[in-house]
Amino acid sequence: NAGVTQTPKFQVLKTGQSMTLQCAQDMNHEYMSWYRQDPGMGLRLIHYSVGAGITDQGEVPNGYNVSRSTTEDFPLRLLSAAPSQTSVYFCASSFGQAPYEQYFGPGTRLTVT
Amino acid sequence: GDSVTQMEGPVTLSEEAFLTINCTYTATGYPSLFWYVQYPGEGLQLLLKATKADDKGSNKGFEATYRKETTSFHLEKGSVQVSDSAVYFCALPPEDTGRRALTFGSGTRLQVQP
Repeated sequence: NAGVTQTPKFQVLKTGQSMTLQCAQDMNHEYMSWYRQDPGMGLRLIHYSVGAGITDQGEVPNGYNVSRSTTEDFPLRLLSAAPSQTSVYFCASSFGQAPYEQYFGPGTRLTVT
Repeated sequence: GDSVTQMEGPVTLSEEAFLTINCTYTATGYPSLFWYVQYPGEGLQLLLKATKADDKGSNKGFEATYRKETTSFHLEKGSVQVSDSAVYFCALPPEDTGRRALTFGSGTRLQVQP
């Protein structure tokens, strides 16, 4: 099993550009989520999903969209990048519909100039 | 609501020193408790867990005991190694199954010097 994979590993965007961060898992996990990690702020939940076709907002959803068309994939879209979105983004998944033991991807380091 | 408080870092120790990282939590029930570890440049990994009061989780020489009376889950290791240098997060799951996500502490950075 590859576990949770994320692409790209690094990305630089200009303000106003859009892009999609990819996340996939091969463990048949129902629960998936996106976090951002900023210095001194720990991990903050952006969006999560408890199954295909079901998504919901976390603590900091503004400026981000998600969709869950399959169990395996949970892409995160930045609609119009802003410097405040410079961060490290982690995708995570867990068995069942509860965020119990979460498996994390390796992260995407995004810089918005 | 649920919350997790961890000791501020960074913690700098010499190799073979004893480690304690404090974690206390606030929750209305008796949730499971987790410690996650993040090595440089990587995502978080589950280090150990405890599912009920007085449970002791252990892994890779690390231990943590779920203390209901003090609402604590302190992480300990008897003899740290340079390879233990990482950021450690205490976490608890939400009470409302299927909602939101784990509540993480702010993380404690451990630096072990040779």
